[in-house]
Amino acid sequence: DADVTQTPRNRITKTGKRIMLECSQTKGHDRMYWYRQDPGLGLRLIYYSFDVKDINKGEISDGYSVSRQAQAKFSLSLESAIPNQTALYFCATGRNQPQHFGDGTRLSIL
Amino acid sequence: GENVEQHPSTLSVQEGDSAVIKCTYSDSASNYFPWYKQELGKRPQLIIDIRSNVGEKKDQRIAVTLNKTAKHFSLHITETQPEDSAVYFCAASSPNTGNQFYFGTGTSLTVIP
Repeated sequence: DADVTQTPRNRITKTGKRIMLECSQTKGHDRMYWYRQDPGLGLRLIYYSFDVKDINKGEISDGYSVSRQAQAKFSLSLESAIPNQTALYFCATGRNQPQHFGDGTRLSIL
Repeated sequence: GENVEQHPSTLSVQEGDSAVIKCTYSDSASNYFPWYKQELGKRPQLIIDIRSNVGEKKDQRIAVTLNKTAKHFSLHITETQPEDSAVYFCAASSPNTGNQFYFGTGTSLTVIP
């Protein structure tokens, strides 16, 4: 399902660097989400957006920020990366729920 | 916020047997309960969902049941096949928390041929 595209797919960076993860979708859905997946912890919501002018904090928003540039684009930024932000990050879209996920971005912070 | 607990964390079954995964939730106002399947190295995929006004829903070999009184819901897979091997996540959402989705910690299902 290439309807939700995340870039980059993998990234290794150093502590203190600023990183942006990008997500674009062709589903035409208003709702977009950013999740973080860690082993044994499942998926945790970082931020979500119900339309271009709407941004909401999720369960674990500290250390992250987002930008909803258009209906189809939702980017996640780590202003100053730290090692415990090493994880697999998923973007998702949906009409009413996170129905379609991207392939994920595997982020490693050294 | 909502607290979703999922059990078991790992499950092995023989091909053809049934598998059951259970989740409990804490917020009695939760009204939507989806299940996701994530194959190794792949993205989560929504496989079935249930709303609070329904007690059971079936889709071929998979079914979900909901007990609102006890605040738990379960995924049932019958006639399991090797391709059912994956990690399964439950989730719950409630209007009390802006309809955010809270996920369980996942169940790794292995179907032994």
